[in-house]
Amino acid sequence: EMQLLESGGGLVQPGGSLRLSCAASGFTFASYAISWVRQAPGKGLQWVSSISGSGLSTYYGDPVKGRFTISRDNSKNTLYLQMNRLRAEDTAVYYCAKGLPTAVTPFGAFDIWGQGTLVTVSS
Amino acid sequence: EIVLTQSPGTLSLSPGDRATLSCRASQSVSSNSLAWYQQKPGQAPRLLIYGASSRATGIPDRFSGSGSGTDFTLTISRLEPEDSAVYYCQHFDVSPPWTFGQGTKVGIK
Repeated sequence: EMQLLESGGGLVQPGGSLRLSCAASGFTFASYAISWVRQAPGKGLQWVSSISGSGLSTYYGDPVKGRFTISRDNSKNTLYLQMNRLRAEDTAVYYCAKGLPTAVTPFGAFDIWGQGTLVTVSS
Repeated sequence: EIVLTQSPGTLSLSPGDRATLSCRASQSVSSNSLAWYQQKPGQAPRLLIYGASSRATGIPDRFSGSGSGTDFTLTISRLEPEDSAVYYCQHFDVSPPWTFGQGTKVGIK
C-alpha cells in the first residue's frame, strides 16, 4: 500500500524555523514528484511547493518563496520542508502529496496524501 | 497565476439527488491539467478525478468530471450520505502556482 507519513510539526515562535519530514512507503519514491500542500484552520487548500523525482526541479508558491526550501533524500524515501522566518500566517496543517505523472509533465494530480502535520506559529 | 473560482459555495441536497459543481478558470487550462478532490472533516483530501474526466482508483462511477478550456464540472449522479464533504478543483497547467479553487461544501439533508 502506498503511504506518506508527515512529522515535525509543532509550536514555533514567529521568526523561528521548523523542518517537516514526509516518509514514503509502498512505491518507488524516486520516480515521482512530491509536493507540500497546506490548510490553515477552517480554510481551503493552498499549494506550497513541489519537487521532481530527481530533486533537480523545485517550485514554490509566492507566500513561501525565499523562506521555505523543499528537498528529498531518495536513499531514505523521505521528503523535507525546511521552513525559516515563520509567520503567523504559516499556521496550518501541512500535507505531503505524491504526484500522478501525465504524458506531458511529472507534476500532475495528487493521488496519495499523508495525514498531515500541524504547524502553529505563535508567541 | 490562474485563479479557479468554484460555485456554488454551498450545496444542500437530498440522498439520490444529482449534484453539479462548477470550477471556472481565469484563463484556459489544458484538460489534462484539471483535478477534483474530496475532503471530509478531519481527513486529508482524496483524489476523485484527474485529467478533467478520469476517475482515480477506487472512485465510484457516480462521480464524473467534464469540461474544457475555462469551464469544468464535477457531477455526483446519485448522492449518498457519505458524499457530504468539501470538494476542491485544482489545475496543473504548464507553470506553477498550481492553485486550488476555494471549495464547494456539499451537505446531505
